[in-house]
Amino acid sequence: EAGVAQSPRYKIIEKRQSVAFWCNPISGHATLYWYQQILGQGPKLLIQFQNNGVVDDSQLPKDRFSAERLKGVDSTLKIQPAKLEDSAVYLCASSRGGGAFFQPQHFGDGTRLSIL
Amino acid sequence: DQQVKQNSPSLSVQEGRISILNCDYTNSMFDYFLWYKKYPAEGPTFLISISSIKDKNEDGRFTVFLNKSAKHLSLHIVPSQPGDSAVYFCAAREETSGSRLTFGEGTQLTVNP
Repeated sequence: EAGVAQSPRYKIIEKRQSVAFWCNPISGHATLYWYQQILGQGPKLLIQFQNNGVVDDSQLPKDRFSAERLKGVDSTLKIQPAKLEDSAVYLCASSRGGGAFFQPQHFGDGTRLSIL
Repeated sequence: DQQVKQNSPSLSVQEGRISILNCDYTNSMFDYFLWYKKYPAEGPTFLISISSIKDKNEDGRFTVFLNKSAKHLSLHIVPSQPGDSAVYFCAAREETSGSRLTFGEGTQLTVNP
């Protein structure tokens, strides 16, 4: 099966500009996650969708970050305006979700964002 | 508050020997633990998981051990191969949080030929 697709792979912007990332999860996966991974740290969850509804956005900086998954498949994550500390790799992951058994998350290759 | 910690930033072993990667956690509500492997410029790849009701899970060369009383888990790779060189992340899930994973900082494993 095809994996999680993300684009772009790399993005360089200046602070205060806006940027958007796109994610296409594995086919049939109902749950989609966006993570932020700062250099030298583990991934940190920003937001989780179940189909097109938000399940957990407690760690999303809502004053500048937004995300949507309008049709329950693709998702976009936006940052506006960007700050220097947003420089990181943004990872999208998906899992089957639901059911009685734990399902591991499968990750895309991420978008590396550099803020100048 | 770092709930999942990997205290060793790096580990170097010889090909054919055992690699042991360690992870400690503080949250007693974690019910699943996972290990992910990450190559440069790629996303993390799921490796192996263990439920909190078990103390061992094995998959080929990879075995994960869980010591609940010590809040400690470890990943054993036997025998280690040069292709195993990667960053390994320990992650844990708290059932009440849905499926949110909390990750450790990662350990860079280098397997020397």
